[in-house]
Parts: sequence; C-alpha cells; structure tokens
Amino acid sequence: EPEVTQTPSHQVTQMGQEVILRCVPISNHLYFYWYRQILGQKVEFLVSFYNNEISEKSEIFDDQFSVERPDGSNFTLKIRSTKLEDSAMYFCASSYGATSTDTQYFGPGTRLTVL
Amino acid sequence: SQQGEEDPQALSIQEGENATMNCSYKTSINNLQWYRQNSGRGLVHLILIRSNEREKHSGRLRVTLDTSKKSSSLLITASRAADTASYFCATTSYTGGFKTIFGAGTRLFVKA
Repeated sequence: EPEVTQTPSHQVTQMGQEVILRCVPISNHLYFYWYRQILGQKVEFLVSFYNNEISEKSEIFDDQFSVERPDGSNFTLKIRSTKLEDSAMYFCASSYGATSTDTQYFGPGTRLTVL
Repeated sequence: SQQGEEDPQALSIQEGENATMNCSYKTSINNLQWYRQNSGRGLVHLILIRSNEREKHSGRLRVTLDTSKKSSSLLITASRAADTASYFCATTSYTGGFKTIFGAGTRLFVKA
C-alpha cells in the first residue's frame, strides 16, 4: 500500500540554524500538508499546498517557515533561524483531492530537537 | 476558539468493553476524520465521515456525526489491549483553502 515517507526521522539542530524537513507524498496525490505536534499537545495545522502554491496557512506559519515542491516527488518544509520552541514532531500529509471524501494520509513524522 | 475538542481526555477500560469518545467542533465542516496515534508514532487514519452523513461503520469502529450539535462520537466495540493509543478527531473546512484542525485527543488505555 502506498504511503507517505519522511526524512529524517530525527533531526537535532542548534538554535538559529536552518533545517529542511523532507517528505515524499503518495505519488498520485495532489494536495500536501504540514502539521506539527509539540510533545504532549495536539496536532497543529501549518500549511496546505496545491498546484505549487500555498492554499491555506495557519497563524503559526509565519515568515520563519516556507514550503517547496522542488521536483515531482518531494515536498519540503524549511524552518529558518530555529528556536527552542520549534522542537516538535513535524508530520507531512497528502491527499488526492480536497473534497469531503478525501482522506489525508500522514507520514511517520520527523522529530525536530532544537538545542 | 477551539475546534475539534474531545472528551474524555483519558479513558481506561477492560479488554472486551466498548470505548466511546466524543468530539465537538465550532465551525461548519466538510468532513470529520478520526485518527489513532500510538505513543511517539505517526497518525493512522481510522475513518472519515462526510458532513452529510450521520453514521459510518468500519470493522469494530462506529462513528456518528450530528452537525446540528456540531459533535461526533467514535465507538470502539470489543476493545483489545492493542487499541491502547490516543485518538484524535480532525475537522476539515474550506476557507479559501482546505484546513484541518485536530482536537486535543482522548488517551485510551485498554487493560488486558
């Protein structure tokens, strides 16, 4: 069964550094998403992406964050100038469409630790 | 305002019993989905119910949706120790783009 994959599984970085989290969505999916989950808290929506542009973003997704689909298979989240509070699990998801019947399938997540 | 709030926050039951978790939300939605998360792991999709549906079944899972009350429930019948996990509801709404909001989750512990 096709699945969303994410790399790396765990990323450790120093405060102020930039990180790029990578995702490979399910191959025929058209909509892509990033979420984060701070330890012990709820999953928070960051951004949705379709047709090479952001279709929706949350208030969390400020200028520190950017997303890109650099080629036909990868979908990346860049976090610039990381802060301690960026430490969280970051999940990528994808869906074929964005109708009421479209399920979002999640990757296993990347655990980001900012020291 | 919070969207997709579950209750109870935690639930402990014996194997074989049924587990019911509830979710409330505040805005109009396109669909509502339930996910399971084992500790420190990814999110596993369980079931999706559209806003025009009232009930849906999948194996031991039964989901109901009451859009007039803006609430949903997830029933797991004949629970097993392997059902121990956190369960989240997630509502998807269209506001120019599609946005999915997760609740805080219910932690279910099934004792063998």
